Amino acid sequence: VIWMTQSPSLLSASPGDRVIISCRMSQDISTYLAWYRQKPGKAPELLIYGASTLQSGVPSRFSGSGSGTGFTLTISGLQSEDFATYYCQQYYTFPLTFGGGTKVEIK
Amino acid sequence: QVHLVESGGGVVQPGRSLRLSCAASGFTFSSYGIHWVRQAPGKGLEWVAVISYDGSNKYYIDSVKGRFTISRDSSKNTLYLQMNSLRAEDTAVYYCAKSMSPRRLVEGFDPWGQGTLVTVSS
Repeated sequence: VIWMTQSPSLLSASPGDRVIISCRMSQDISTYLAWYRQKPGKAPELLIYGASTLQSGVPSRFSGSGSGTGFTLTISGLQSEDFATYYCQQYYTFPLTFGGGTKVEIK
Repeated sequence: QVHLVESGGGVVQPGRSLRLSCAASGFTFSSYGIHWVRQAPGKGLEWVAVISYDGSNKYYIDSVKGRFTISRDSSKNTLYLQMNSLRAEDTAVYYCAKSMSPRRLVEGFDPWGQGTLVTVSS
C-alpha cells in the first residue's frame, strides 16, 4: 500500500492569496497523481492529472508539479469557490489511495 | 453531457446486504472503467473498487474483498456494487466515478456522481 501524507491539513487564507498544498508518497509513483477539489456537500471534481496536466475546463489559476515522491498543488489567486477541501490521489498501483485532505478556509 | 447517478443507499443492519446502482449517460459506457469511492461522515475519500471497460478486470480494497462485488451491465449502462456482510465501518457516502480515458483502468476520475448514503446500524 502506498501511503500519502498531505499537508497542511488546514490552511487559512484570504481571497486573492496564493496557496500551496503538498503531497508526499511512501514510494516513487512517477507522475501518476491527480488532484481533486471537493466543495461542501458536493462530489469531488478533477483538477489535475498526470501530476501537472490541467483537466479541461479547470481554471488556469490551478497548477500542479512534482514527480517521484513529492508533489504540490498551487492555487494562484484564491476565488470564493476555492474555499473547499483538496485531495491528492495516486493511481500508480492498487489499492488506489488518497491523501488525507487539505481544507482551505477563509482567514 | 456525461452524467452518473447513484441509487440504492439506505439504512441497513450489520450483517445484511445492499446493492448500489450507478446509472450512466452521455458517453459510451462500454468503453470506460468505472470506480466506486466512499467517504465516511466527516472523513476523507477511500477508493473501494474498479471494473474495467469490458468487465474482465476487477480490483478491490482489502477491507471489502470477499464481501463486495462490482459488476456492470452495458445493455443498461449501469454499474453495480453488491455489498454483503455489511459492517458499521462501511457507513459512508458511496460515489461512482468514471475513468477519464477510454479503456484505461486508472487515471483521473471524471466525473463523479452525486453519491448515495449507506448507513449500517442496528
